[in-house]
Amino acid sequence: TQLLEQSPQFLSIQEGENLTVYCNSSSVFSSLQWYRQEPGEGPVLLVTVVTGGEVKKLKRLTFQFGDARKDSSLHITAAQTGDTGLYLCAGAGGDYGQNFVFGPGTRLSVLP
Amino acid sequence: GAGVSQSPSNKVTEKGKDVELRCDPISGHTALYWYRQSLGQGLEFLIYFQGNSAPDKSGLPSDRFSAERTGGSVSTLTIQRTQQEDSAVYLCASSLAYWAGQETQYFGPGTRLLVL
Repeated sequence: TQLLEQSPQFLSIQEGENLTVYCNSSSVFSSLQWYRQEPGEGPVLLVTVVTGGEVKKLKRLTFQFGDARKDSSLHITAAQTGDTGLYLCAGAGGDYGQNFVFGPGTRLSVLP
Repeated sequence: GAGVSQSPSNKVTEKGKDVELRCDPISGHTALYWYRQSLGQGLEFLIYFQGNSAPDKSGLPSDRFSAERTGGSVSTLTIQRTQQEDSAVYLCASSLAYWAGQETQYFGPGTRLLVL
């Protein structure tokens, strides 16, 4: 069974601070996605990483896929209150990558 | 429509009753997913439809759960003889095409199910 762990579970920081959240597994995934979910809404895709060692930047967000494709990190620079939400990582599993395994999420609160 | 829609948005039912949850995917999307999200947890994969292929039901937790997709569009998730542990948010997502885990899934707002 493929499982994803995320850390920290909760994170509360002041606006302007930097932070990193982690997504780890003992399994290899063909791709990994990061989502952000706000209360009462479904998750929204932020990025998909495919290649081991890949780094993708999306404005103040930097995503990295581990060389062995078992882990990933999300780094946010100069956090803003609008970054508040639940950050979920999801690995493509199943025989053909059709099943997405989600981690439990990191709940981020950015305080003004 | 503009996005994935789900109905009802909230459902309260009594233990032992059957419930039906509906998902309207984005027009033209061939792939459709159902997930369950319990309070404070991540998403649990339930079932996946791709075009006219047989659905991947490997995530359904018991035979009380079933889903169908009519005409390759609207999907209904049915839970029979509901139990209190079925209480959760049920999320539906659709994507344009299946691409080995790299496709963008668009999620609906979910149906919040409470079993008393």
